[in-house]
Amino acid sequence: QSALTQPPSASGSPRQSVTISCTGTSSDVGGYNYVSWYQQHPGKVPKLMIYEVSKRPSGVPDRFSGSKSGNTASLTVSGLQAEDEADYYCSSYAGSNNLLFGGGTKLTVL
Amino acid sequence: QVQLQESGPGVVKSSETLSLTCTVSGYSISSDSDYYWGWIRQPPGKGLEWIGNIYHSENTYLNPSLKSRVTISVDTSKNQFSLKVSSVTAADTAVYYCARVGGEMSTIADWGQGTLVTVSS
Repeated sequence: QSALTQPPSASGSPRQSVTISCTGTSSDVGGYNYVSWYQQHPGKVPKLMIYEVSKRPSGVPDRFSGSKSGNTASLTVSGLQAEDEADYYCSSYAGSNNLLFGGGTKLTVL
Repeated sequence: QVQLQESGPGVVKSSETLSLTCTVSGYSISSDSDYYWGWIRQPPGKGLEWIGNIYHSENTYLNPSLKSRVTISVDTSKNQFSLKVSSVTAADTAVYYCARVGGEMSTIADWGQGTLVTVSS
């Protein structure tokens, strides 16, 4: 099994929107509605931002949203703020009791 | 509020076995729930890698790429679960996180602080 594919970097100006993609296959992203997104600041523990494709845990701003089309999931951050600058990782259930992570995307707020 | 804390040696010699323990507080790992207890690692400067989960103290699910070297077990009397990785190499140097996992073993809302394990030659 291969890691999910994410762009290495993404960027946007404050108040703009940015979307990060996460591409898998029909055996993982496309086959299950169990995609999660995590935010990780340098030296910190990953934080769950989105689960089950589009659900937000309590306390996560509604500026963060998730979606999926076919084998690609997406995380959109609207109204970018300086504190959104971090690494973002997607993950997906991959069947047969396996979990895959993406390689991570470094989001820069210009 | 569940809390998880990893413990174990920070340095392991190449070819030996890495052993870590995760102590859980605020939640009983033996409770009849749909949570898995898992391990994830992150090599320095790199991305996250799922190692494996244990469910209901007996069912283990492991990353196929690590399966031959990894053991995950639970000690319900101590409310702990453990990770062993045998025959380690420099490629196993990473921050190791323990976690409580939900949602078809895909949702990791609760993480330990992580512990850096360095494999030395």
